[in-house]
Amino acid sequence: QSALTQPPSASGSPGQSVTISCTGTSSDVGAYNYVSWYQQHPGKAPKLMIYEVSKWPSGVPDRFSGSKSGNTASLTVSGLQAEDEADYYCSSYAGSNSVIFGGGTKLTVL
Amino acid sequence: QLQLQESGPGLVKPSETLSLTCTVSGGSIHSSSNYYWGWVRQPPGKGLEWIGSISYSGSTYYNPSLKSRVTISVDTSKNQFSLKLSSVTAADTAVYYCARGGGYGGNPKFDYWGQGALVTVSS
Repeated sequence: QSALTQPPSASGSPGQSVTISCTGTSSDVGAYNYVSWYQQHPGKAPKLMIYEVSKWPSGVPDRFSGSKSGNTASLTVSGLQAEDEADYYCSSYAGSNSVIFGGGTKLTVL
Repeated sequence: QLQLQESGPGLVKPSETLSLTCTVSGGSIHSSSNYYWGWVRQPPGKGLEWIGSISYSGSTYYNPSLKSRVTISVDTSKNQFSLKLSSVTAADTAVYYCARGGGYGGNPKFDYWGQGALVTVSS
């Protein structure tokens, strides 16, 4: 199992949209619709933002959206706000009852 | 509101066993048959790594890279689940989180998390 591949960094100005990619393989992201996205502010626990590729947990604004094409999942943050600046991690079911995470992307709001 | 809280030693010597407990409040592990309970760690300045998950009935699933050293157990009478990681090295220094997972062992939907416990491996 290798970690899912995410860009180390992403950035956008307030009000803009930014998309973070998460690339896996045909054995994890490409095989199952069980991709989650987490937001983590410094010194805090991760927060679930998206599950099952594109579903929202209660309380998460719909400015955050998820999608998947082939072996790559994506998280789009629309209408960027200062509080969106954080680290973002994707995760996927990897078969055989195992979970794999991405390396994380640091989102900067310019 | 469901809450999870990690507890255990913050310093462990190399080659010894790391032990952490997660206490669940605001809900019962036993009544939550639709959930698994997991451990995730994060080395300082690095990304997240799934360690393993357990059901209320004791079914366990582990990260293949850690499987030989990991044991996760559940105590429904105390509403707790625990992590043991043996033969630790400096590479096991990390913040360890407990979290509630989805309805099967490999479900990556962790919706409630503890605040995290920093465990340092050092002599």
